Amino acid sequence: QVQLQESGPGLVKPSETLSLTCTVSAASISSYYWSWIRQPPGKGLEWIGYIYYSGSTSYNPSLKSRVTIFVDTSKSQFSLNLSSVTAADTAVYYCTRGGVTGDAFDIWGQGAMVTVSS
Amino acid sequence: DIQMTQSPSSLSASVGDRLTITCRASENINSYLNWYQQKPGKAPNLLIYLATTLQSGVPSRFSGSGSGTDFTLTISSLQPEDFATYYCQQSYSTPRTFGQGTKVEIK
Repeated sequence: QVQLQESGPGLVKPSETLSLTCTVSAASISSYYWSWIRQPPGKGLEWIGYIYYSGSTSYNPSLKSRVTIFVDTSKSQFSLNLSSVTAADTAVYYCTRGGVTGDAFDIWGQGAMVTVSS
Repeated sequence: DIQMTQSPSSLSASVGDRLTITCRASENINSYLNWYQQKPGKAPNLLIYLATTLQSGVPSRFSGSGSGTDFTLTISSLQPEDFATYYCQQSYSTPRTFGQGTKVEIK
């Protein structure tokens, strides 16, 4: 059964970089697109971006200047960096499978709560 | 960006009720529309993809319809485990966007 697991710090200081990693198990990371999605407390879902194993990416324009998503196929992991964070970036961050046109997000990690605070 | 608008934003219903949630896209997205269910403290769960196709393992009381700009999610007979928040999402263009959610509560 395919599983995704997010890992990374739960607390980040304002202006610093948020870094999360998603570990993929029981699936080939080379066969799918992989996305990050976030959800501020009590609010809706926002797609951050996706990556293919080749390194090809697509980002939400609202975050594009601050986001980097990269993949390490040898470790079956993909990662998110979000720079210059503010309190508005406080959210649960989910890694998911999917994201290409016509695709659905069919597998989700449990989510990682990240709080931006000094 | 394609705006996705769900209605209603919330509703109260009883076990056994037939429920319909609508989702409208700000432009034509063909059938590139997915539906998710989210329970408190949990990740969303895919219910329906490409507007009408039931994800494996999802009960048949869930169904989806529509194409173009107007879509519906129907629950034929509401069960206790269906009280949750439902989101639509378009996969036609980037950025991928979600509706604001519809919270289904117990009457």
